Amino acid sequence: TQLLEQSPQFLSIQEGENLTVYCNSSSVFSSLQWYRQEPGEGPVLLVTVVTGGEVKKLKRLTFQFGDARKDSSLHITAAQPGDTGLYLCAGADSNYQLIWGAGTKLIIKP
Amino acid sequence: EAQVTQNPRYLITVTGKKLTVTCSQNMNHEYMSWYRQDPGLGLRQIYYSMNVEVTDKGDVPEGYKVSRKEKRNFPLILESPSPNQTSLYFCASSLLPSLAGGWSYNEQFFGPGTRLTVL
Repeated sequence: TQLLEQSPQFLSIQEGENLTVYCNSSSVFSSLQWYRQEPGEGPVLLVTVVTGGEVKKLKRLTFQFGDARKDSSLHITAAQPGDTGLYLCAGADSNYQLIWGAGTKLIIKP
Repeated sequence: EAQVTQNPRYLITVTGKKLTVTCSQNMNHEYMSWYRQDPGLGLRQIYYSMNVEVTDKGDVPEGYKVSRKEKRNFPLILESPSPNQTSLYFCASSLLPSLAGGWSYNEQFFGPGTRLTVL
């Protein structure tokens, strides 16, 4: 079974700080998605990356897919309380299964 | 409004009492799946379906059943629930994954979740 490891598992920072969340695997994924989940709700898609080395920006969020398509990162600039949530990465493996990371719980304090 | 609905949202039951969690989507999606979410373990797929009458096991299918008689509905059945099935359950739907230089998943639309407690 392929694994997607997310780090850190938990992060609590002050509003305005920058942060990076990582999603790593020893396996190659054909595509990778990032979702955000708020308490009491299901995950919501933020971005899908497909090409090795690809960088996508969503306002203050920057997503990068590793050159070898084994890892990805999510960087948030000037974090806001509204960024609080559980961030999940999910990769599509060679057996067309979507493999999920355990998530990074992010708290942004005002 | 495009959405995935699940019912019930909360359920407390006892060991061995059969239960069904319903899931319905109004987006005409072919692909539907069930996940359970446990602290520190992330989302684990229970079953998925690529189309009507086509279902397949995910990573943790033991103790669960599903059916896909209609495109929009994908109920999850626990024939004899046990305490280790206490969890937060999510139904999701999407267009079929596409194969273009490797599998690429479309956006997964999730329901609001069902919190199940088995005593």
